[in-house]
Amino acid sequence: SQQGEEDPQALSIQEGENATMNCSYKTSINNLQWYRQNSGRGLVHLILIRSNEREKHSGRLRVTLDTSKKSSSLLITASRAADTASYFCATADTGTASKLTFGTGTRLQVTL
Amino acid sequence: KAGVTQTPRYLIKTRGQQVTLSCSPISGHRSVSWYQQTPGQGLQFLFEYFSETQRNKGNFPGRFSGRQFSNSRSEMNVSTLELGDSALYLCASSTGGDEKLFFGSGTQLSVL
Repeated sequence: SQQGEEDPQALSIQEGENATMNCSYKTSINNLQWYRQNSGRGLVHLILIRSNEREKHSGRLRVTLDTSKKSSSLLITASRAADTASYFCATADTGTASKLTFGTGTRLQVTL
Repeated sequence: KAGVTQTPRYLIKTRGQQVTLSCSPISGHRSVSWYQQTPGQGLQFLFEYFSETQRNKGNFPGRFSGRQFSNSRSEMNVSTLELGDSALYLCASSTGGDEKLFFGSGTQLSVL
């Protein structure tokens, strides 16, 4: 079963705009990760934030984590057409680093 | 460094048959995990192998099995295929201590 929900399910923006995706999860976690998936392909790791961190940056990506609300958000700034993909959050319980529980995903469409 | 390689890319089988999927991890990675992705259930963890031993297992029936060889290559087998087994099967590798997973492009299995 899936750990959590992501919203929105789909997001359509224009190039240059920012995109924000939210993820909620249900249990205590060791870390939370975000992955990107281009249509029908494998997932690509974007960023990992540990349970004792509140915010992390990587290039145009900014991730926040609120463990009290069991939620995270992914912000992509200055979106590009190449950012068009599905984005998934994934959580790992303590001691089971490779056993990720994925959210439902957000489909992002960036148009020119 | 070569990425995670999954073969075959596409597979068509009929109900009742069995199928074997193959995964070659990134050189030096000792952990291989498998995930099933369907439109209805999303991404679900199947199992993880580390140094030829199954380390974690998801909630799938016994028809789903796997193994890992001494060179870290892994295979998963699905016996007595059902229509609901149609899915994208993703393999991911990691060092085993690292939480970040590297995914292959997947094997798209269609059961007719």
